Amino acid sequence: QQQVKQSPQSLIVQKGGISIINCAYENTAFDYFPWYQQFPGKGPALLIAIRPDVSEKKEGRFTISFNKSAKQFSLHIMDSQPGDSATYFCAASKGAYSGAGSYQLTFGKGTKLSVIP
Amino acid sequence: DVKVTQSSRYLVKRTGEKVFLECVQDMDHENMFWYRQDPGLGLRLIYFSYDVKMKEKGDIPEGYSVSREKKERFSLILESASTNQTSMYLCASSCLTGTSGRIGQETQYFGPGTRLLVL
Repeated sequence: QQQVKQSPQSLIVQKGGISIINCAYENTAFDYFPWYQQFPGKGPALLIAIRPDVSEKKEGRFTISFNKSAKQFSLHIMDSQPGDSATYFCAASKGAYSGAGSYQLTFGKGTKLSVIP
Repeated sequence: DVKVTQSSRYLVKRTGEKVFLECVQDMDHENMFWYRQDPGLGLRLIYFSYDVKMKEKGDIPEGYSVSREKKERFSLILESASTNQTSMYLCASSCLTGTSGRIGQETQYFGPGTRLLVL
């Protein structure tokens, strides 16, 4: 049973365009939603994260939009650049605010983004 | 900077061999994790550990075991390697609480991965 569904599996965007990756979750106990970025030959690295009491978080060209009622969150990359070409993973964890954190992240299956010049 | 190192970048083993994958972190993190990454399947948690000598099964522990004798080191063991264990293996570590002081918000820091081929 996949708890975090990510789409699309792959994405091709022109340089300067907007890249949008979507994730949906089922477990309402999830309360922390990070995005990880992975370049070829490297391990994933935290890009940006959001908690469910805000609907949007922006860091530079990267924005997370969060819709608690729909149990969905998305990553928007504005002014996409060839250097953004990577695989992106959404993730979720629970217990961030109850003190009963499980330490675990549940990952989506990943989106391979290619930004073409 | 947090550094997570894995003993090998590439490994080729034969079916039935015992395989050891080693992971070392230098940030005194309590939590350590082993994932495998396969195309189209994302990252799947094999085992994790939140303290020395402690271990918890993840989503796909079958065919694997782990060892954590020292805080900085977390080993993944394939008792008898099989071809379906050909994969990219990623180690990660995190501190007990995130920057906000809350459990569950901790950033996981990943190593570069070990690509294992079982023939």
